[in-house]
Amino acid sequence: DAGVIQSPRHEVTEMGQEVTLRCKPISGHDYLFWYRQTMMRGLELLIYFNNNVPIDDSGMPEDRFSAKMPNASFSTLKIQPSEPRDSAVYFCASTTGQGFHEQYFGPGTRLTVT
Amino acid sequence: QKEVEQDPGPLSVPEGAIVSLNCTYSNSAFQYFMWYRQYSRKGPELLMYTYSSGNKEDGRFTAQVDKSSKYISLFIRDSQPSDSATYLCAMRDGYSGGGADGLTFGKGTHLIIQP
Repeated sequence: DAGVIQSPRHEVTEMGQEVTLRCKPISGHDYLFWYRQTMMRGLELLIYFNNNVPIDDSGMPEDRFSAKMPNASFSTLKIQPSEPRDSAVYFCASTTGQGFHEQYFGPGTRLTVT
Repeated sequence: QKEVEQDPGPLSVPEGAIVSLNCTYSNSAFQYFMWYRQYSRKGPELLMYTYSSGNKEDGRFTAQVDKSSKYISLFIRDSQPSDSATYLCAMRDGYSGGGADGLTFGKGTHLIIQP
């Protein structure tokens, strides 16, 4: 299994630009999570989906952030417009609805907004 | 007050030492307690998990949960340089309806094992 796939791995953009992060969960997993990691705040849950439907988006910092999951194998996290304080590592994770629900994390996207 | 507190370190110990990593939490609803290991520039990987109180052992690793004190620990015996990483505690509620839920993480402790 290829694991959770995220792209791009690194993104450098200027303030005000739109940024789109992408995630492909592990096949057969019906839950998908987006987290953000910074030195100051650690790893924080932004939003998660079950069967492509957003379940909890209370962690999304503001309206500039949006997430979609058009099908079971693809999700996007979009920031528009981006700001320097959005600089962080964004992780996607997936799990099944069975058993313990271990979350498998992708390698992350390191975003730098200048 | 953040829901989960964890000393960021760094914690530096010589190879072969016993390592103790800890987290405290404030939410009594937490029932599942996990330890993730994160190597530099990688995603977190689950190391161990415990449900409710008690101990769990897996090779050189032991996880302890004391719900009365809202305190969890991870012990590493015979530490190796390859154990050098950031260790994050994570927690979530128990639930009656089934289904997964997001995790609440500590900030992570950076551990360095000196050869």
